[in-house]
Amino acid sequence: AQTVTQSQPEMSVQEAETVTLSCTYDTSESDYYLFWYKQPPSRQMILVIRQEAYKQQNATENRFSVNFQKAAKSFSLKISDSQLGDAAMYFCACEGAQKLVFGQGTRLTINP
Amino acid sequence: SAVISQKPSRDICQRGTSLTIQCQVDSQVTMMFWYRQQPGQSLTLIATANQGSEATYESGFVIDKFPISRPNLTFSTLTVSNMSPEDSSIYLCSVDNGRGTEAFFGQGTRLTVV
Repeated sequence: AQTVTQSQPEMSVQEAETVTLSCTYDTSESDYYLFWYKQPPSRQMILVIRQEAYKQQNATENRFSVNFQKAAKSFSLKISDSQLGDAAMYFCACEGAQKLVFGQGTRLTINP
Repeated sequence: SAVISQKPSRDICQRGTSLTIQCQVDSQVTMMFWYRQQPGQSLTLIATANQGSEATYESGFVIDKFPISRPNLTFSTLTVSNMSPEDSSIYLCSVDNGRGTEAFFGQGTRLTVV
C-alpha cells in the first residue's frame, strides 16, 4: 500500500518570495511516479510538476522545482518568486500500480 | 490533454434519495476514475471504471452505494445512492493516458445532503 504525508496543513509566503512545501511518501513499489497537483478555489485540479522515481535529476517547471530524496522518501516542492495566482491547495501524490494516492494537502496563502 | 465536463456542478439533495453525476471526456480513454473529496480533506479513490466491464471498487466503497456505468470510452456516471449527510462531499471524475502520466480532472460536483 502507498501512503503520502503532508505535514504542513497551511503555509503562507510573501509575494515574490520562495516557499517550500513538504511531502513524504511510502511505497513498496520499485517503479513509481510522484506528482504535485494544485487545486485553486475553482476546484479544478491542475498538475504542477511530475517526477519519475527512476530519474535522479530533480524535475523543474519554470518557477516550480522539486527536491526528490529517494532514500528518504521525500518529495518537496519549491515555489520561487511566489505570485498571487499560486494561492491554492497543493496535493502531493504517488502513483504505483495504477492507483494515485494523495496526501492531505497544504493550503498556501500568498501575502501581497 | 483531455477536457472533462462534469455535471451537475453542485446539488442539494434530501437524505434517502439518489444523485447521478455525469462525466464526459473529449477523447477516448481506457480508464476513468471517480474520487471523493470530503470537506477540507484529500482525494480518495472510489472506483476505477473500464469500458465493457464492471468497475473496480476501493476498500470501503461498494457497488450498491456507488453504482457506476461506463457505456463507452468517453462517458461515465457515478450514482450516490440512498444518501445521508455523511455523503456530503465533492465528487471528481478523472482520466489519464496511462500509468505515470498526467491526470486530468473534472471541476467536481459539490454535493450537500440535508
